[in-house]
Amino acid sequence: KAGVTQTPRYLIKTRGQQVTLSCSPISGHRSVSWYQQTPGQGLQFLFEYFSETQRNKGNFPGRFSGRQFSNSRSEMNVSTLELGDSALYLCASSLGGLAVNTGELFFGEGSRLTVL
Amino acid sequence: AQKVTQAQTEISVVEKEDVTLDCVYETRDTTYYLFWYKQPPSGELVFLIRRNSFDEQNEISGRYSWNFQKSTSSFNFTITASQVVDSAVYFCALSEAANTGNQFYFGTGTSLTVIP
Repeated sequence: KAGVTQTPRYLIKTRGQQVTLSCSPISGHRSVSWYQQTPGQGLQFLFEYFSETQRNKGNFPGRFSGRQFSNSRSEMNVSTLELGDSALYLCASSLGGLAVNTGELFFGEGSRLTVL
Repeated sequence: AQKVTQAQTEISVVEKEDVTLDCVYETRDTTYYLFWYKQPPSGELVFLIRRNSFDEQNEISGRYSWNFQKSTSSFNFTITASQVVDSAVYFCALSEAANTGNQFYFGTGTSLTVIP
C-alpha cells in the first residue's frame, strides 16, 4: 500500500516568490492535513481538507493557502515568501470521517523549503 | 499557550539504558486523544500509540511502554534497553474531541540519541 507522497522533497526559493507543494494521500483517505515544522516550534497545524473542503485552519497568515482535489490530492501554496517560511512542510492523511478526529495520521516525508 | 509540552529538548543515553520521555498536556475537553510519533532522520513521522482520555491503563509494546496519568495531565513514554535504532525525534500530540476534524496539537519534540 503506497504511503503519503509529497513533492517536491527539497526546494529553494527567494524572498517574495511563491511556492506550491503537493501531497498525494494514501488511497482511500479523504482527509489531508498540512503541518509546518521548524526547529524550536515543533509541528504547527496549517489546515485540513476533507472532501475538497477546508475543515480546520490553524493560525497562519493568509499567504498560506491550500486546496484539495476530487481525487483527495492536496496542494498548499505560500505566496510572497519570507525567510521565516523556511521549514519542513509535512502532509498527513487519514480516513477522516466526520466524527473521526481521533484517527491516526499517516505522514509523508515532507517538503523541505529553504527561502533565501 | 502550548497545549502539549515536552520539556526535554535533547536526551542522550548509552545503549541498553532505559529512557523516559515526558509529555504534559493541557485541555478543557473531557474527551481527548493522546499520541506519540517517532520521526527518524528521513522526516516521516511514524505512529507509535494512541490513547483516549477514558483509558488510563498503561500499555506495553515490546521495549516501549506508556504511562498515562490524568491527575497530572501526563503521558510519558519509556524505552527499555534502548538501541541505536531508537535514535530519533519523538513527538507527543493531542487531539480534542471538540474539534470537527483532524487537528492535532504537537509538542516541540524530544531528540533522543542512543550512543553505542
